[in-house]
Amino acid sequence: QKEVEQNSGPLSVPEGAIASLNCTYSDRGSQSFFWYRQYSGKSPELIMSIYSNGDKEDGRFTAQLNKASQYVSLLIRDSQPSDSATYLCAVNLNRDDKIIFGKGTRLHILP
Amino acid sequence: EPEVTQTPSHQVTQMGQEVILRCVPISNHLYFYWYRQILGQKVEFLVSFYNNEISEKSEIFDDQFSVERPDGSNFTLKIRSTKLEDSAMYFCASTGTALYGYTFGSGTRLTVV
Repeated sequence: QKEVEQNSGPLSVPEGAIASLNCTYSDRGSQSFFWYRQYSGKSPELIMSIYSNGDKEDGRFTAQLNKASQYVSLLIRDSQPSDSATYLCAVNLNRDDKIIFGKGTRLHILP
Repeated sequence: EPEVTQTPSHQVTQMGQEVILRCVPISNHLYFYWYRQILGQKVEFLVSFYNNEISEKSEIFDDQFSVERPDGSNFTLKIRSTKLEDSAMYFCASTGTALYGYTFGSGTRLTVV
C-alpha cells in the first residue's frame, strides 16, 4: 500500500526563523511531489510542486527532493505567524494517478 | 484566478437520507476528484473521473456512492443512504493534468445525525 508519512507535530518555530518540514513516501516509482497548506476548517492549497531531485525555490519556500532516500522536505524562511497551518505532503505515481496525502504536520509560528 | 466552486458549504442530513454534493470544476480542466477528510484525519481519496467515466475509486467509494457530470460543468457526488460515519468534509478537486497538482474547492461539511 502506498504511504506518505509525516510527523504530525506540532512544530513550533519562532517568528523569523526557518521552519523545516519533512515527508517520506513508500512508492519508489512516484513522480510528482507536492506541498499543500491547510488552514483549520479550510481546503488544501497548493504551495509547491517538485518533480526532480534537488531544490526548488519559490519566494520564502524551498522544496527539496531526494528520490534515492524517498524523502521530500519543505523549508519556510523568515517564518510569519500567517504560516501557522497544517502542511500536507502529497505524492502521485504517474501523470494520470491520484494524489495521496500524508496526515500533515501542524506548524505553529511563535510571535 | 479560476477556482473550483462547491455547494452547499454545510449540509446536515438524517441518517439514511440521500445527499448530493455539487461542484463546478475549473472550466478547462479534464480530471476531477472527490476527497474527504474526517475531522482530525488525513485527506482521503474517494474517486477520480476522466473522460466521462470513473478512472479509479477507493475502498471507501462503495455502492452507496456515485458520481456524475450531468451537463459538462457540474460534477456531483451522491451518497444514497448516509451513515453517521459519512460525516466529514468533502472536497472536490480538478486539474488539467494530475502531474501538476490539483485545485481544491472550499469543501462541503457533511454532518449526518
